[in-house]
Amino acid sequence: QSVLTQPPSASGTPGQTVTISCSGSRSNIGLNTVNWYQQLRGTAPKLLIYSNNQRPSGVPDRFSGSKSGTSASLAISGLQSEDEADYYCAAWDDSLNGRWVFGGGTKLAVL
Amino acid sequence: QVQLVQSGADVKKPGASVKVSCQASGDTFTTYGVSWVRQAPGQGLEWMGWIDTFNGNTNYGHNFQGRVTMTRDTSTSTAYMELRNLRSDDTALYFCARDFRGRLDSWGQGTLVTVSS
Repeated sequence: QSVLTQPPSASGTPGQTVTISCSGSRSNIGLNTVNWYQQLRGTAPKLLIYSNNQRPSGVPDRFSGSKSGTSASLAISGLQSEDEADYYCAAWDDSLNGRWVFGGGTKLAVL
Repeated sequence: QVQLVQSGADVKKPGASVKVSCQASGDTFTTYGVSWVRQAPGQGLEWMGWIDTFNGNTNYGHNFQGRVTMTRDTSTSTAYMELRNLRSDDTALYFCARDFRGRLDSWGQGTLVTVSS
């Protein structure tokens, strides 16, 4: 059971916009920023969005993030076949001496 | 850009211990922390703990306290994660990641640990 809640799956066709949600609580998303990771099949996770809405160098601006209260979302516009991957949200949680918590992951299918 | 290279896959029997290494390059090792995250087959990401590479301070995840030890060797820019008393449900991919400024921004390639009798 993951601390952050994401939908297990999402899908879209090329060119569409897809949004993935992430719900938490005060001790994590409510008090701290949200990061998003992309994990292509068989590879390590890659930082996609940090500090709610910042993109690391090299990440296309088709990827955007937002946060409101204890929820966050990742939007992917102009969907491409190479976007097919698992996406995880994460936040620092101030409980239990502090810890990183993750969502259960959302498997994105590009139809 | 930090690169993290982990040790190779390992197979252990139940009750044994495993020690995974993570060698860093590309930035000053002692200026950031290293977190360890694992992923069971077909499952999501689970944070195991963190080590401050400057002073060796650690913060272990609740689920792993008493079974995990994280250390580092600053002379070789290498972080280590040892997990003891292995069970079959410890079979997973183990990742190290640079923990810096509120994000895990560089990840190792992962080390598959299989626990089987």
